Amino acid sequence: DSGVTQTPKHLITATGQRVTLRCSPRSGDLSVYWYQQSLDQGLQFLIQYYNGEERAKGNILERFSAQQFPDLHSELNLSSLELGDSALYFCASSVDPGGLADTQYFGPGTRLTVL
Amino acid sequence: GDSVTQMEGPVTLSEEAFLTINCTYTATGYPSLFWYVQYPGEGLQLLLKATKADDKGSNKGFEATYRKETTSFHLEKGSVQVSDSAVYFCALILANAGGTSYGKLTFGQGTILTVHP
Repeated sequence: DSGVTQTPKHLITATGQRVTLRCSPRSGDLSVYWYQQSLDQGLQFLIQYYNGEERAKGNILERFSAQQFPDLHSELNLSSLELGDSALYFCASSVDPGGLADTQYFGPGTRLTVL
Repeated sequence: GDSVTQMEGPVTLSEEAFLTINCTYTATGYPSLFWYVQYPGEGLQLLLKATKADDKGSNKGFEATYRKETTSFHLEKGSVQVSDSAVYFCALILANAGGTSYGKLTFGQGTILTVHP
């Protein structure tokens, strides 16, 4: 158990809908990262927050957005869903804003299926 | 851009065989290198890491040495077990010249390892 929790574990929805994925980092970690794992794209970095502020941005679609709240939990919002958004979404957390020796601890993931 | 290339899989071995999974990288700057493992139905777990050239990371019998001259970070284990069956990901984090990482892990495509009794 990494200490990172993600809810829900599974999510099934229809095209065009909007969903919210939630992540609670390990106690004491200030950084939260979101990754998408799909068969065709592999593991892709989406976005990082550090202590409530956006820190780095990767291959995140404009239909996707995220935020980190004062209690440090984070939410990833996916809207106007398409079939291709079906994937496993991981959250990770770390103590620092991403130093070389910093380790990211991953949650169990949320499996999103868009029908 | 920065990238990680892993040997094509899947890899199938008998128990107690020697394991090597090749990993090479391309990076502009000074990366830290990682191996993560993903067991069936689970999230990623850090297996080992190395933060500078010639460092050796090791954990649970697995080892990898950061080779700057060959831009490689190959994963090895002397004697694999059935319980090592999983997907293994090589990854890097890049830092700017000042040593502050951008925080983004760049992953290889993953290598599926299956170990038979």
